Amino acid sequence: DTAVSQTPKYLVTQMGNDKSIKCEQNLGHDTMYWYKQDSKKFLKIMFSYNNKELIINETVPNRFSPKSPDKAHLNLHINSLELGDSAVYFCASSLRTADTQYFGPGTRLTVL
Amino acid sequence: AQSVTQLGSHVSVSEGALVLLRCNYSSSVPPYLFWYVQYPNQGLQLLLKYTSAATLVKGINGFEAEFKKSETSFHLTKPSAHMSDAAEYFCAVSPTNTDKLIFGTGTRLQVFP
Repeated sequence: DTAVSQTPKYLVTQMGNDKSIKCEQNLGHDTMYWYKQDSKKFLKIMFSYNNKELIINETVPNRFSPKSPDKAHLNLHINSLELGDSAVYFCASSLRTADTQYFGPGTRLTVL
Repeated sequence: AQSVTQLGSHVSVSEGALVLLRCNYSSSVPPYLFWYVQYPNQGLQLLLKYTSAATLVKGINGFEAEFKKSETSFHLTKPSAHMSDAAEYFCAVSPTNTDKLIFGTGTRLQVFP
């Protein structure tokens, strides 16, 4: 049983396009997150949602818009993709704020 | 602002040797501390966490870490390395009662036969 799943696993697209990454968790957790891992493996939080409410927004460009239709899903939509957006994006979830975070397998985004 | 420093971006050990991965944090109050492991092309898996209970924390796969407030350190150790331990290891800090994880830059562990 997959706890935190992401689709797609790989995403290759051209500059200027708009794309979405989906995340679902079946753990019954209240809080979900998006992290970006760059080419040097550095991980940085982008957003967190608690019960569909935005809690953290870490100086991420407005082109990135998270959407949480329900507690089990947190999608990431990216407009006007740029070369610098190429990275691995990880979704995570935790039962409550400050609890252990469980990570999805990641989505490798490549912008050409 | 809180931060985490991992000394050594690469660590190489022989199979059966001691593994020591270093992590120092900066925080005015004791934070929550975590070690995560990332195997190639996979997501992050929690190894262990410190949340102000026992200072010696035991995790999965034989790993453990000791919280030392006087040294602001949370080093990860394993007495005997296995080939399967080869991976990227991340130390992370979470300010108390927040849900923000701040990661170190990672340490790649190589294990030689």
